[in-house]
Amino acid sequence: EVQLVESGGGLVQPGGSLRLSCEASGFTVSSNYMSWVRQAPGKGLEWVSVIYSSGNTYYADSVKGRFTISRDNSKNTLYLQMNNLRAEDTAVYYCASRLPVDYWGQGTLVTVSS
Amino acid sequence: DIVMTQSPDSLAVSLGERATINCKSSQSVLYSSNNKNYLAWYQQKPGHPPKLLIYWASTRESGVPDRFSGSGSGTEFTLTISSLQAEDVALYYCQQYYSTPPWTFGQGTKVEIK
Repeated sequence: EVQLVESGGGLVQPGGSLRLSCEASGFTVSSNYMSWVRQAPGKGLEWVSVIYSSGNTYYADSVKGRFTISRDNSKNTLYLQMNNLRAEDTAVYYCASRLPVDYWGQGTLVTVSS
Repeated sequence: DIVMTQSPDSLAVSLGERATINCKSSQSVLYSSNNKNYLAWYQQKPGHPPKLLIYWASTRESGVPDRFSGSGSGTEFTLTISSLQAEDVALYYCQQYYSTPPWTFGQGTKVEIK
């Protein structure tokens, strides 16, 4: 059974940093497209970033230069390093596998507020 | 970037009646070399991650009831629920995954019982 479990969310001040993790089981992170998708409170889905099996990475314009997606193959874990956080980054962040996304994590809430 | 626009934003349908959601892309998501439309539909219930319903515009994901169907090509697509059930109350999103990212979502359509 495939499971994606996110962690690392929380409350952070504007300008601060957080690193989100997504541990996968029943599934190999390095062999698939792995994405982060976020959802601001009461809003729709926003694609954030993807890392290909090749290691190529892409970002939404709204996070480019501030967020970095990566993975640790030995831990079968996906990461999202988020720097210089803004209030508008407040959202539930979902780890998502493949394309179209057939497996989603339960999400981790990031709140950016002073 | 490809902009996805759904209509309506919300709709109320009687139990057992048909629900139709439209999705329009700002440019074609039909890849001519394989004749596939890079368009997916997701269902999201409150407090849960999205669930993949349809991919390649019209292919139902395994386990999805056959009352859900997708149609369309190029820039205009439709998700139809042929006979609305109480458990279908949710938000529905289309997403294009054509070419390189960003893989954008529509703004969502809320389906309720009339």
